Amino acid sequence: DVKVTQSSRYLVKRTGEKVFLECVQDMDHENMFWYRQDPGLGLRLIYFSYDVKMKEKGDIPEGYSVSREKKERFSLILESASTNQTSMYLCASTSQPMNTEAFFGQGTRLTVV
Amino acid sequence: RKEVEQDPGPFNVPEGATVAFNCTYSNSASQSFFWYRQDCRKEPKLLMSVYSSGNEDGRFTAQLNRASQYISLLIRDSKLSDSATYLCVVTGNTGGFKTIFGAGTRLFVKA
Repeated sequence: DVKVTQSSRYLVKRTGEKVFLECVQDMDHENMFWYRQDPGLGLRLIYFSYDVKMKEKGDIPEGYSVSREKKERFSLILESASTNQTSMYLCASTSQPMNTEAFFGQGTRLTVV
Repeated sequence: RKEVEQDPGPFNVPEGATVAFNCTYSNSASQSFFWYRQDCRKEPKLLMSVYSSGNEDGRFTAQLNRASQYISLLIRDSKLSDSATYLCVVTGNTGGFKTIFGAGTRLFVKA
């Protein structure tokens, strides 16, 4: 059974904290993505990676960075958390070529207070 | 303009109704198209791929019109269990293999 696992379901952090969201997939997929989902806005792409140590900005990268040191792991970093980063964060992975199904993790509900 | 736009909904329909969702995309170089379903408080999951020739899976029919950059999903004989958010998804080798989701259309099927 294919699996994408996010490290936490719920997180509460303080403004200014550095926050790490971890995502691990066991399908040997090349491509991994981080999205945030907000009511009325749908899923918005933050960053994606198509190979180890490779990263590309999505539509809303400001305030975020990512790390992909190993193929199976893609980390999202909030350098200094702010209240407007309170959201649901979803990690996904796909294989090459890109026209294949995206598998999602269960999501991390992050609240910044 | 958003890269992928959908009817915002919500759609409220009785059981047994036929309902259609529309989606437009802005990048003519887009290569692959999908519909995903997302239940409340759950992650999105693939419902079906969308092909130029159109494709059907039981009560669900998906259509793609590349000339108009338009995708549709038709649900016939709606069931209560069809209540969910339906996401239009477009992928392509433009700016690095991006997978872009629409904001989703919420469907409520009522008894």
